[in-house]
Amino acid sequence: DADVTQTPRNRITKTGKRIMLECSQTKGHDRMYWYRQDPGLGLQLIYYSFDVKDINKGEISDGYSVSRQAQAKFSLSLESAIPNQTALYFCATSDSQGASETQYFGPGTRLLVL
Amino acid sequence: TQLLEQSPQFLSIQEGENLTVYCNSSSVFSSLQWYRQEPGEGPVLLVTVVTGGEVKKLKRLTFQFGDARKDSSLHITAAQPGDTGLYLCAGAPGNQFYFGTGTSLTVIP
Repeated sequence: DADVTQTPRNRITKTGKRIMLECSQTKGHDRMYWYRQDPGLGLQLIYYSFDVKDINKGEISDGYSVSRQAQAKFSLSLESAIPNQTALYFCATSDSQGASETQYFGPGTRLLVL
Repeated sequence: TQLLEQSPQFLSIQEGENLTVYCNSSSVFSSLQWYRQEPGEGPVLLVTVVTGGEVKKLKRLTFQFGDARKDSSLHITAAQPGDTGLYLCAGAPGNQFYFGTGTSLTVIP
């Protein structure tokens, strides 16, 4: 079984709709991240959480919100989706900071906003 | 402006050729990492470099961390089609993790 899972894997929605992307992990890590990737480009950090009570904005948090329901679960919401939020979304986890931090990624959710 | 700039953005080479990918920043990093992402999957860590001037080798891949800890390079010797993918450098100058702009490599058989 995968250590980091994301649901759904693919989603098509319309402008103005609210959608939620979910991430679950079985690695026991405290840190969780949401990234956005546009075609052929690197990853941009949307939000990150260092533990259940900690939520931090990343580079591109506008138009997104998150909820850390438990150590193992971190969900990303688009309150009112718009076409330029069409992208590939990745959840990641890590268990340490600094030189030895390794991020483990889920398989991604491909989102299309019409 | 991206914190970590990679060059080139796209690279298409023939099997057996050598190549180098660069990752540059104006910020100092305690460490830099290189990830590889294959189509339809999330990035996977290849290596972490932590000491200025450090060189690490992973089979045909050689990673170097700049002396000033602001840049890194990835050199691939005798590239193979299996090396095709998106290569990303990454690091955290503070609490926030940043990924580079990415280099998309295609190795043609």
